[in-house]
Amino acid sequence: DVKVTQSSRYLVKRTGEKVFLECVQDMDHENMFWYRQDPGLGLRLIYFSYDVKMKEKGDIPEGYSVSREKKERFSLILESASTNQTSMYLCASSLPLGRGPYEQYFGPGTRLTVT
Amino acid sequence: SQQGEEDPQALSIQEGENATMNCSYKTSINNLQWYRQNSGRGLVHLILIRSNEREKHSGRLRVTLDTSKKSSSLLITASRAADTASYFCATESSGNTPLVFGKGTRLSVIA
Repeated sequence: DVKVTQSSRYLVKRTGEKVFLECVQDMDHENMFWYRQDPGLGLRLIYFSYDVKMKEKGDIPEGYSVSREKKERFSLILESASTNQTSMYLCASSLPLGRGPYEQYFGPGTRLTVT
Repeated sequence: SQQGEEDPQALSIQEGENATMNCSYKTSINNLQWYRQNSGRGLVHLILIRSNEREKHSGRLRVTLDTSKKSSSLLITASRAADTASYFCATESSGNTPLVFGKGTRLSVIA
């Protein structure tokens, strides 16, 4: 079974803090994604990566950065957390199109509160 | 960019009834997928239908795709309380591009 794990289920941080959200997958997937989910807005793509050391901006990258030093790990970084970044953060991984089922496998999510 | 739009936003039914959710999208797609999310958890993939397919079944799930109308429907037959969740459609448009998710339908199945 594919497993995607996220470092924390719940996280409370103060405004201005640097925040690291870690995501690890154990299925050797090339593709990894970070989303945030807010009521009424659905899932919005922040960043994604198709390979190690590779990153692409999604729809809402402002205020975030990412790091992918190893294939299995994709980190989301909030350089200076703000209250409008309070949200549920979801990580996902998948195989590339054409190399098997293209469905995304999601982690359990991190509910981040910035006070 | 939001491509899929689910309808209705919320649906409440009795156990044993069928639940139908619809998804409309805007551009041409390679495939369309449905996911389920239990409250406060990650999404779980349910079923994928390719653009050249019209209908697909998986257990109590039936998905249809009408590319001429750019729409899909998810039917859950003989619903159970455990089906209570939010359901999302997601479209893959071309190449290895990320999926684009809709805002979801919140289904409540009352025992």
